[in-house]
Amino acid sequence: EIVLTQSPGTLSLSPGERATLSCRASQSVSSSHLAWYQQIPGQAPRLLIYGASSRATGIPDRFSGSGSGTGFTLTISGLEPEDFAVYFCQQYGSSPYTFGQGTKLEIK
Amino acid sequence: QVQLVESGGGVVQPGRSLRLSCAASGFIFSNYDMHWVRQAPGKGLEWVALISYDGSNKYYADSVKGRFTISRDNSKNTLYLQMNSLRPDDTAVYYCAKDGVRGDLVGAEGGYFDYWGQGNLVTVSS
Repeated sequence: EIVLTQSPGTLSLSPGERATLSCRASQSVSSSHLAWYQQIPGQAPRLLIYGASSRATGIPDRFSGSGSGTGFTLTISGLEPEDFAVYFCQQYGSSPYTFGQGTKLEIK
Repeated sequence: QVQLVESGGGVVQPGRSLRLSCAASGFIFSNYDMHWVRQAPGKGLEWVALISYDGSNKYYADSVKGRFTISRDNSKNTLYLQMNSLRPDDTAVYYCAKDGVRGDLVGAEGGYFDYWGQGNLVTVSS
């Protein structure tokens, strides 16, 4: 099973700043099958990025994903108030599909 | 628009059974693999099970293998999760989720979740 480790656990930033979230895999994620989700408390997760760098339908271009192998990054440039939430990475390159433990992005 | 509406959750005693349903609309249900994902209170996300677009293939997390059964009725556009021998650590919000890639296409490599249901809380407690 591939273990995903996200860092930092909590990130405190102000609106307008740039957020960089990391996701490290215990072994290489095949074909960059890595996705990112945003979850606002009390709501279902929302797909942001798939294939490590492809934005999902309707996702603003301030969200971008990068990386390959064992290291992946989600960048949010110019934080908006609605971006403060919890973010999860997920690998779907091998079964079982696994998620990281999440990064909480909070307002500073 | 895509909608996934879950039902069937609630409070159940350890060792008992429960069946969740997920009614799908807004897309061609029979073209897509479907998943169940759960989230224990205050915790992260855990993939639970996958069923292929035609129901011919099913995969499970080790934590539920042998106890849970995923199924689908493409004539009713509905996904199911039969949960037997429930344990307290099965307590979670259960989400049904649509795969992001059409499973009926040759060479399809899905496994990410582009639409989610609203979630259904299952509490296992005596």
